[in-house]
Amino acid sequence: DTAVSQTPKYLVTQMGNDKSIKCEQNLGHDTMYWYKQDSKKFLKIMFSYNNKELIINETVPNRFSPKSPDKAHLNLHINSLELGDSAVYFCASSTQGHNQPQHFGDGTRLSIL
Amino acid sequence: RKEVEQDPGPFNVPEGATVAFNCTYSNSASQSFFWYRQDCRKEPKLLMSVYSSGNEDGRFTAQLNRASQYISLLIRDSKLSDSATYLCVSLPRDAGNMLTFGGGTRLMVKP
Repeated sequence: DTAVSQTPKYLVTQMGNDKSIKCEQNLGHDTMYWYKQDSKKFLKIMFSYNNKELIINETVPNRFSPKSPDKAHLNLHINSLELGDSAVYFCASSTQGHNQPQHFGDGTRLSIL
Repeated sequence: RKEVEQDPGPFNVPEGATVAFNCTYSNSASQSFFWYRQDCRKEPKLLMSVYSSGNEDGRFTAQLNRASQYISLLIRDSKLSDSATYLCVSLPRDAGNMLTFGGGTRLMVKP
């Protein structure tokens, strides 16, 4: 009964490919997020999304797009993968509202060859 | 300059020691602060929120100094299981719950 689950856990692919990472939460939360943690271990927010609003970190390339089929899912689609996209991607969720704790999935390790 | 800065460490301490981490933030509009813990190759987990009046949770004490824009975490009676990376986190006002993480401070507690 994992709270926030991501698939796949590991993703190895070639430069130029398009890939998706899936995220699902069963906590009843209404806000979901994607974070990127690079090789230097810095964790950076990419997107925040609830059913009303998508907030995008302006530094995120438009090759990255979140897709939410419903409140419990927020998938991350990446076009034309580049070497610099290699990182660990974490999905998280919370209830809406300031100061609400975020619960993280266990990450997807993306390696670009 | 990074928005949230931490000494990366590692801090190597013996079991039972008291250890303190500091963190500074540059965005004066930051409204909320947290400490998260991340074990090697695992996801971050919320350790505690940080309140202006300071707060304590068992062996952990967090303090916030808004005037100097720094946050601290004190761990008393360190356990081997406290070994992890501790992430200082700020939430700017009007950021839509988009957390800003520091680079983390690595703690290693040795027997």
